[in-house]
Amino acid sequence: DTAVSQTPKYLVTQMGNDKSIKCEQNLGHDTMYWYKQDSKKFLKIMFSYNNKELIINETVPNRFSPKSPDKAHLNLHINSLELGDSAVYFCASSQDPSGRVGDTQYFGPGTRLTVL
Amino acid sequence: DQQVKQNSPSLSVQEGRISILNCDYTNSMFDYFLWYKKYPAEGPTFLISISSIKDKNEDGRFTVFLNKSAKHLSLHIVPSQPGDSAVYFCAASTPGYALNFGKGTSLLVTP
Repeated sequence: DTAVSQTPKYLVTQMGNDKSIKCEQNLGHDTMYWYKQDSKKFLKIMFSYNNKELIINETVPNRFSPKSPDKAHLNLHINSLELGDSAVYFCASSQDPSGRVGDTQYFGPGTRLTVL
Repeated sequence: DQQVKQNSPSLSVQEGRISILNCDYTNSMFDYFLWYKKYPAEGPTFLISISSIKDKNEDGRFTVFLNKSAKHLSLHIVPSQPGDSAVYFCAASTPGYALNFGKGTSLLVTP
């Protein structure tokens, strides 16, 4: 049973399009995250939601809008896609925002976004 | 502005030997450190962690050492196995904040 799932796994699209990536966790966690791993392999936090409320927004362009319909889901919508948005996007969840003992972050398999 | 640095992008070790992966950090407010392991086409998975009140934590073949004065931590894998071949990410956090990740070290364990 997959703990954190993301769809789609691969996404290829043209510049200027709008796309969404979905994330669901069945762990009962209160906190969910979106990370971006760029071509330089840095894994950077984008957003964090706790119980459907935004708690971290790390200077991400406002073309990126996370949406949390309930605490098990955190979707990422991206408007007006740019070439630089090409990356692997990981969703994660944890019980505690800072990933403490017993509250480690569980990651989804990633979504590879390619913008042409 | 990377606060967590893994300066070795790759490491190759023979099976049975020790693998040592290093990580440096700049933020003295970090009080919790973690190592994640990532296989291709999968998300990172938690491996081991250490609180800043400790200098060593051991879990089976994996040991993490923390040197706060040097702002340095390391992950030791003994003995290394081919299945350990993966990318290892070091991460650090302060209370209530998200994890800061290094860019990873790719470990290859050869038979």
